[in-house]
Amino acid sequence: AQKVTQAQTEISVVEKEDVTLDCVYETRDTTYYLFWYKQPPSGELVFLIRRNSFDEQNEISGRYSWNFQKSTSSFNFTITASQVVDSAVYFCALKYAGNMLTFGGGTRLMVKP
Amino acid sequence: DAGVIQSPRHEVTEMGQEVTLRCKPISGHDYLFWYRQTMMRGLELLIYFNNNVPIDDSGMPEDRFSAKMPNASFSTLKIQPSEPRDSAVYFCASSLLGQGGEKLFFGSGTQLSVL
Repeated sequence: AQKVTQAQTEISVVEKEDVTLDCVYETRDTTYYLFWYKQPPSGELVFLIRRNSFDEQNEISGRYSWNFQKSTSSFNFTITASQVVDSAVYFCALKYAGNMLTFGGGTRLMVKP
Repeated sequence: DAGVIQSPRHEVTEMGQEVTLRCKPISGHDYLFWYRQTMMRGLELLIYFNNNVPIDDSGMPEDRFSAKMPNASFSTLKIQPSEPRDSAVYFCASSLLGQGGEKLFFGSGTQLSVL
């Protein structure tokens, strides 16, 4: 079965704190893709990053970084020095055979000033 | 480039009425997806099209729901008759066939409230 689990439903931090959003996935496919999307209060889903199953290199983009570990089936997302504008719901997603994207339940991040 | 365009942004209707949601994908994209978002069930894939042909509609809740894509630039999701439990945000997304890892571009969603 293909499944994405985001165990943290809600996280609250104070501005400038670092925060890590967890994502664990299940798939039997050897080729798959993992994504993170951000849903700000405006509602639109915004693409953040894509990773394929053969590329375990971690990635950093400004204050954002992603840690992909196939051994633990995890694709965690860290925001360094969080800001109020980071407040949103973040979704981890898995794309496997075909073109279907399965989303996790989302983590609501609240960054307080 | 214009993104995925959905209309209306908000729809309020009474139970039993027909509701039609509309989507214009990004020009040149050959995949189109309809998702539904609720608090209870999160983001669920309802149906997706490839080159205007429905590929998988296993997520469509029941016969009251139908989706069409008459051409590459337009799709509709229709609910007839609507029920209060259909209240949700409905997203349309599109992507371009490539190596398999193409990202989806989402519209702003339609907030549907069925009273």
